[in-house]
Amino acid sequence: DTAVSQTPKYLVTQMGNDKSIKCEQNLGHDTMYWYKQDSKKFLKIMFSYNNKELIINETVPNRFSPKSPDKAHLNLHINSLELGDSAVYFCASSQDWASGGPNEQFFGPGTRLTVL
Amino acid sequence: AQRVTQPEKLLSVFKGAPVELKCNYSYSGSPELFWYVQYSRQRLQLLLRHISRESIKGFTADLNKGETSFHLKKPFAQEEDSAMYYCALSGGIRGSTLGRLYFGRGTQLTVWP
Repeated sequence: DTAVSQTPKYLVTQMGNDKSIKCEQNLGHDTMYWYKQDSKKFLKIMFSYNNKELIINETVPNRFSPKSPDKAHLNLHINSLELGDSAVYFCASSQDWASGGPNEQFFGPGTRLTVL
Repeated sequence: AQRVTQPEKLLSVFKGAPVELKCNYSYSGSPELFWYVQYSRQRLQLLLRHISRESIKGFTADLNKGETSFHLKKPFAQEEDSAMYYCALSGGIRGSTLGRLYFGRGTQLTVWP
């Protein structure tokens, strides 16, 4: 069973378009994250949600809007796509943020976004 | 400020040779340190964490608070160890980092036959 899944795996689109990436986890975790991996393989957090509530919002353009319909899903919507948005986007999840347990994060397979 | 430094972008060794991937960090509190691995065309996965003090796939890492290091070591590298390795730091779920992971820039390990 796939623990953290993302769709689509690949996304190729034109500049200016709006696109969404979906993420689902079946681990029963309460906290979910979005990371961006750039062309140099550098990973940086974008957002974090705990129980559908936004708890981390890094310096990300407001063209990026996460949406969490329930605690098992965290989708990423991107408006007016730019060339610089091309990257691999990883979703991740971890157990209850407030429980104080170890912060092991489980990652999805990634979505490779290419903006032309 | 939190920072994770992996000084080597690329590291190559021959099969059977020892390997050490370096990681240094800066964090004012008590950090949780992790090593994540990303094999070719696969997702990022946890390799090991310092609180577990375990050996996974022959790899070990010891947290040295004096040197603020968490180097990853394996005495005899195997070809299947070739991958991108990321050192990561968290302030803990209740810490100031709110559970986020700070990643180093990664070290691409290649093990030659």
